[in-house]
Amino acid sequence: KAGVTQTPRYLIKTRGQQVTLSCSPISGHRSVSWYQQTPGQGLQFLFEYFSETQRNKGNFPGRFSGRQFSNSRSEMNVSTLELGDSALYLCASSAAGGYNQETQYFGPGTRLLVL
Amino acid sequence: GNSVTQMEGPVTLSEEAFLTINCTYTATGYPSLFWYVQYPGEGLQLLLKATKADDKGSNKGFEATYRKETTSFHLEKGSVQVSDSAVYFCALSVLDNYGQNFVFGPGTRLSVLP
Repeated sequence: KAGVTQTPRYLIKTRGQQVTLSCSPISGHRSVSWYQQTPGQGLQFLFEYFSETQRNKGNFPGRFSGRQFSNSRSEMNVSTLELGDSALYLCASSAAGGYNQETQYFGPGTRLLVL
Repeated sequence: GNSVTQMEGPVTLSEEAFLTINCTYTATGYPSLFWYVQYPGEGLQLLLKATKADDKGSNKGFEATYRKETTSFHLEKGSVQVSDSAVYFCALSVLDNYGQNFVFGPGTRLSVLP
C-alpha cells in the first residue's frame, strides 16, 4: 500500500497570503489528522477529520481550517498568513475502525516558510 | 486529562552505548502506547507499540514495556548506532466520544557520535 502523501513538500509565502495543503491518506483509512510542528512548540494537534466531518479540534485560531472529501483526501487552509505560521505541517491517517489499538501513519510533511 | 511526559534532551551518546528514554503518561481510560521516530527532514514513523499492560513492543533493536503500575513506557536499546540519531516521540491513544484520540510527548532528540 502506498503511504500517506502530502503536497506540496515545500512552500514559500508572504505575510497576509493564504495557503492550501493537501493530504492523501493510506487507502482505506477514514481518519485524517493534521499537526503543526515547530522547534519552539513541538508537535501540536490542529484537527481531525472523519467521514468528511471535523471530529476533533486543537487550540488554533479560526485562520486554520480544513476539510475532507468523500475519498478521504483532506486539505487544510491557512488564511492571512503570519510569520509564526512557518512550520512543518504533518498529516496522519488511521483506519478509525473504532479500536484503540490502531496506528496513526504520518506523511513526510509540508514545510511552509512565511516571509 | 491525557498527557505524555518524556525527557526532552538532547541526549548525546557514543556509538554502542545503552539508550534509555523515559516516558510516563496520564490517561483517562485504558490507553495504547506508541513510540515514533522522526529522522531529519521526514515525518514521524512508527517504531513500536503496545496495547495492553505488560506487553513489550520491539523493533530494530528497540524495546519498550507497557507498565501500568508505574504508568510508564520507557524506550531502550542495548547498543545505539550513528544511524539512530533522530527525534523520538512517545505517544498514547485513548477512545473517547470522538473516536481514537492521540496525544504526543514533546520529543527527545538523540545524537549518537561515532
